[in-house]
Amino acid sequence: AQSVTQPDIHITVSEGASLELRCNYSYGATPYLFWYVQSPGQGLQLLLKYFSGDTLVQGIKGFEAEFKRSQSSFNLRKPSVHWSDAAEYFCAVGSMEYGNKLVFGAGTILRVKS
Amino acid sequence: DGGITQSPKYLFRKEGQNVTLSCEQNLNHDAMYWYRQDPGQGLRLIYYSQIVNDFQKGDIAEGYSVSREKKESFPLTVTSAQKNPTAFYLCASKGQGSQPQHFGDGTRLSIL
Repeated sequence: AQSVTQPDIHITVSEGASLELRCNYSYGATPYLFWYVQSPGQGLQLLLKYFSGDTLVQGIKGFEAEFKRSQSSFNLRKPSVHWSDAAEYFCAVGSMEYGNKLVFGAGTILRVKS
Repeated sequence: DGGITQSPKYLFRKEGQNVTLSCEQNLNHDAMYWYRQDPGQGLRLIYYSQIVNDFQKGDIAEGYSVSREKKESFPLTVTSAQKNPTAFYLCASKGQGSQPQHFGDGTRLSIL
């Protein structure tokens, strides 16, 4: 069965520090991968996506992610966190072979301390 | 501006009552999705539709129903058979090929 694991439920970082959010997946088909961000009471906003090609993808708000097939991982990174980055982050995996349905991780809540 | 509109933002249901959540999109997307979000569980797929007049059950379809009579609209009915309906409900749509899903701002359903 397809699954996505985000091992960290909560992460706290200091403003200006670097950030890495982990995502591991188990998927039987060629995956495409996404990171979304959600502020409280809001919908999900797409940060970045990977379909093929360069395994390091750039997204909005200074985020990037690296696809590592050998490790089944798609970790999200940001070199310097801003207080406005505090939110919940979701990793998701999908595939055309599975009807474009997405499987989501449980989310990681990011807290930023000043 | 193109986007997805969910209404209402907050909804309250009495015991034994059916309620319908609205989802409208003007992105000209063929596919639409309904998710349920509970704290600590991420998003779980309720129903999805890849084309007008067709829809499929997702992982947690019991107690829910949908229709897709128009491309722009994909309403979700939470029936009285859904025993634990309190949650945040998100609607999404998707364009062709490898395009990502776009999300509405959600509806929070609570029980009176």
